[in-house]
Amino acid sequence: GAVVSQHPSRVICKSGTSVKIECRSLDFQATTMFWYRQFPKKSLMLMATSNEGSKATYEQGVEKDKFLINHASLTLSTLTVTSAHPEDSSFYICSARAFGTGGPTYEQYFGPGTRLTVT
Amino acid sequence: AQSVAQPEDQVNVAEGNPLTVKCTYSVSGNPYLFWYVQYPNRGLQFLLKYITGDNLVKGSYGFEAEFNKSQTSFHLKKPSALVSDSALYFCAVRDPRGYNKLIFGAGTRLAVHP
Repeated sequence: GAVVSQHPSRVICKSGTSVKIECRSLDFQATTMFWYRQFPKKSLMLMATSNEGSKATYEQGVEKDKFLINHASLTLSTLTVTSAHPEDSSFYICSARAFGTGGPTYEQYFGPGTRLTVT
Repeated sequence: AQSVAQPEDQVNVAEGNPLTVKCTYSVSGNPYLFWYVQYPNRGLQFLLKYITGDNLVKGSYGFEAEFNKSQTSFHLKKPSALVSDSALYFCAVRDPRGYNKLIFGAGTRLAVHP
């Protein structure tokens, strides 16, 4: 249980184009999903918290107009990197909170990540 | 400020020996603590958590962690390391300020040598 998928796993795009990354909770409903960015040999940097049916909450320093987040359903959140530049190249990981029968379980379940390369 | 510290960038251990990966935390209120493991080019896998109850928490793949409130620590342990345990390990604490965000440590690379 508590499986999260991401698509695509790898994407290469040209500078100036936009890229959409999908995050799906496969066997549970996720009212809250999180988007992280991870640089090589570094920890995860939380970019934003995605709430179903409402606007995402961005962390300080993250450009909301550049990293568009949509959480249209209880099982799907998308991150769109708009007008991508080489400095946006990174490993993007999403996660989702699961709820047990007694309420939230607090741990997050992570997708396998998306490697974005902007040329 | 809420924070998590993993003081070791890398831990080296021989296969079959016990391993410990250290984590200390600073958070207001009762801490909700987690350990995750990451294999190369993969997302994070949940290992175990401490919310309340017994200070010794058992998790996946034979790992366990001990919550020590007085030392504000949550060290990850395993009695006998395997080469396949080699990976990047992250300690995390729930941010009590909202949305149940997790605050991650910098990560510790565990290398288990045959």
